[in-house]
Amino acid sequence: AQTVTQSQPEMSVQEAETVTLSCTYDTSENNYYLFWYKQPPSRQMILVIRQEAYKQQNATENRFSVNFQKAAKSFSLKISDSQLGDTAMYFCAFALTNTGNQFYFGTGTSLTVIP
Amino acid sequence: DVKVTQSSRYLVKRTGEKVFLECVQDMDHENMFWYRQDPGLGLRLIYFSYDVKMKEKGDIPEGYSVSREKKERFSLILESASTNQTSMYLCASSSLPRGEQYFGPGTRLTVT
Repeated sequence: AQTVTQSQPEMSVQEAETVTLSCTYDTSENNYYLFWYKQPPSRQMILVIRQEAYKQQNATENRFSVNFQKAAKSFSLKISDSQLGDTAMYFCAFALTNTGNQFYFGTGTSLTVIP
Repeated sequence: DVKVTQSSRYLVKRTGEKVFLECVQDMDHENMFWYRQDPGLGLRLIYFSYDVKMKEKGDIPEGYSVSREKKERFSLILESASTNQTSMYLCASSSLPRGEQYFGPGTRLTVT
């Protein structure tokens, strides 16, 4: 069975500072994707960043980057230069490449950026 | 841009009513999903479909059914709504090989 764990239910960060959200997962498979999604208070879930397990290089998207440790089954999200618009619930997700895209989500981390 | 739309943002129904939640995507995606989202529980998969007329149970299918008659449309049906089905319902679609799911804005369903 696949599981995703986000151990930090709530976090806060000062505007312009850096914050790291943790995520661990468990699988016996070797080929999969990992994702971070953001859900602002307006509720639309949007993709933040995507990582393919076979790629050793960590994905980056502007101020967002990941630290992917495959052996440790860890996939943390770093947000640099935090902005007020980053206030949201963040979900880590895992998907096998061969099961029709079924996702496994963590329970989420609520991030508040403090002005 | 991929667009996933849901028929209602807010819905209030009475116990025992039959409820239909509609989801439409405009990017010709093969896969479509229904989740419910509850505080502290994250997103839980109700049903998914990887092709027209095909469906697979997710983690919590009890009390729900689905219909996919056309590729772009995936409907979630609550046969007899109960108060414990009060929740946020999210629809998503995806297409291999990139794998990411695109979400609709959600439907907040209240069953009284």
